[in-house]
Amino acid sequence: KNQVEQSPQSLIILEGKNCTLQCNYTVSPFSNLRWYKQDTGRGPVSLTIMTFSENTKSNGRYTATLDADTKQSSLHITASQLSDSASYICVAITDKLIFGTGTRLQVFP
Amino acid sequence: KAGVTQTPRYLIKTRGQQVTLSCSPISGHRSVSWYQQTPGQGLQFLFEYFSETQRNKGNFPGRFSGRQFSNSRSEMNVSTLELGDSALYLCASSLDPTGTVYEQYFGPGTRLTVT
Repeated sequence: KNQVEQSPQSLIILEGKNCTLQCNYTVSPFSNLRWYKQDTGRGPVSLTIMTFSENTKSNGRYTATLDADTKQSSLHITASQLSDSASYICVAITDKLIFGTGTRLQVFP
Repeated sequence: KAGVTQTPRYLIKTRGQQVTLSCSPISGHRSVSWYQQTPGQGLQFLFEYFSETQRNKGNFPGRFSGRQFSNSRSEMNVSTLELGDSALYLCASSLDPTGTVYEQYFGPGTRLTVT
């Protein structure tokens, strides 16, 4: 069964700290993996897209890694800001999009 | 280039009524997908259109329907609304039919509240 699991479900950190969000996927055949950021009440916005052959991709303070062998991905946020407070959704692509339920990140001053 | 637009942004309806939501994709995108998002459930796939044809449909009752026009704009309709239909409805557009090759761009969503 195609499935994406994200952990933790929610996370609270202080401004300026780093954090890492996890995504485990079981999809076949695997095409690519995407991370989205979704502010409350808004639509998701793409952060990174990684294909099978890519193992890291950065977008500013966001760095995604992909291990296709273990079927794991992580999103690392460096020097967090209040504006990073959002839900982060991992999506594994096969012949369709398989969405994780997201990690809710709250950054406090 | 303008992004995906959805109207209305907010909607309050009563149980039993019907509702129509609209989505205008990014210019040049012929694929439009619709999703329902409820707290804790993540994005649930409703259906997907490409060049006016429904290509895929999720596991939702027949009360949920959609269509796509020749200009790629799409509408979704929910008839006989139930309290459980309260959700954020998102549409996304892409260059490719399934949104699996090229990136999907999401609209801001329509927040539907059923009372």
